[in-house]
Amino acid sequence: SSELTQDPAVSVALGQTVRITCQGDSLRSYYASWYQQKPGQAPVLVIYGKNNRPSGIPDRFSGSSSGNTASLTITGAQAEDEADYYCNSRDSSGNHLYVFGTGTKVTVL
Amino acid sequence: QVQLVQSGAEVKKPGASVKVSCKASGYTFTSYDINWVRQATGQGLEWMGWMNPNSGNTGYAQKFQGRVTMTRNTSISTAYMELSSLRSEDTAVYYCARGSTMVQGGGDYWGQGTLVTVSS
Repeated sequence: SSELTQDPAVSVALGQTVRITCQGDSLRSYYASWYQQKPGQAPVLVIYGKNNRPSGIPDRFSGSSSGNTASLTITGAQAEDEADYYCNSRDSSGNHLYVFGTGTKVTVL
Repeated sequence: QVQLVQSGAEVKKPGASVKVSCKASGYTFTSYDINWVRQATGQGLEWMGWMNPNSGNTGYAQKFQGRVTMTRNTSISTAYMELSSLRSEDTAVYYCARGSTMVQGGGDYWGQGTLVTVSS
């Protein structure tokens, strides 16, 4: 079972803002990375570290963290943002091991 | 440009082993970790483990301890993931990803995925 919990699905109107959350004890000590995955494709890194975007990722994607919760926010969602999103961080063992969140399906209406 | 190219699809019988390769190009292979992640059809991402190609050090998810082995051949910039004692539940797409100190547990570049089917 995953140690990082996400809501299974969220929806957002085109152009509006959506926040995706990821909860887990390890997030009190470590940042989460966030991945976008579209059907039949490999995951794509969208946010890492405190709030860093890889080259080519639109600035409508942003990350934040508070307590045991990490969040990915899409400000002004576009149709192409419809995808599954996964958080990723250390597991709770304290060792150099990792875990993915349960995943959130984002639907853009 | 950075690329991770994985080996082709495999069909294995229960109890067998599979070895998936991940050939890196466009960067210094020994400077970045390799993470392995799998995804069963319709399911989420599952982290399997990591390997440091420079030292050969590895770390495996508890679920796969004793069944997975991650190795590398630095002369050809290739990482390998071998999973043994296969069962039907291991049917999945297996990905390699380039990790770093800032992007641990996943990666900024991913392979195209390798479908492993376990069936009698």
